[in-house]
Amino acid sequence: RKEVEQDPGPFNVPEGATVAFNCTYSNSASQSFFWYRQDCRKEPKLLMSVYSSGNEDGRFTAQLNRASQYISLLIRDSKLSDSATYLCVVRGSGGSYIPTFGRGTSLIVHP
Amino acid sequence: SQTIHQWPATLVQPVGSPLSLECTVEGTSNPNLYWYRQAAGRGLQLLFYSVGIGQISSEVPQNLSASRPQDRQFILSSKKLLLSDSGFYLCAWNLPNQPQHFGDGTRLSIL
Repeated sequence: RKEVEQDPGPFNVPEGATVAFNCTYSNSASQSFFWYRQDCRKEPKLLMSVYSSGNEDGRFTAQLNRASQYISLLIRDSKLSDSATYLCVVRGSGGSYIPTFGRGTSLIVHP
Repeated sequence: SQTIHQWPATLVQPVGSPLSLECTVEGTSNPNLYWYRQAAGRGLQLLFYSVGIGQISSEVPQNLSASRPQDRQFILSSKKLLLSDSGFYLCAWNLPNQPQHFGDGTRLSIL
């Protein structure tokens, strides 16, 4: 089983739609979780950290389910500019502090 | 504020030639530093990471090497490039327990 798994997509949605991505991780001792956004031929950029109680940033909501070992990202009222690849990142603690990236989920928002 | 600089942005090199990519971070001290490679349409592959000057850990055996001659400088090198070394090379930094931040990347093409 891969350490961090994501559905590669693409998710093809119309403007204004709500879309959700899940990401599963295998290491139950993982401590930190993040979502990054990567535009085509660009570097990944931090979208948001994921906190245990869940957190929201505008149209974006991130949640963590430790029991089932997954994190999710919900995007409401999708914009054309949301089209990108969304990377899930999981990090352990101590000796396993190196972040592990998922391969990403591609989102295409069309008019 | 902290910034990360990576250069060059684009590089075209013949097979068998040497390589030197440089990354510097400003506005922080003793960051963790990372080199990643991303092949077209693929996920991020961690190549090297460093927790301090002169301390390099290699994740994948290959014909690449890394050095950290100064606290905020990370260099990726090769003595002889292979066709398979083509890709998008990304430098990143973080402080312990914080998310990573990426440079703009170097797109390397081997001819």
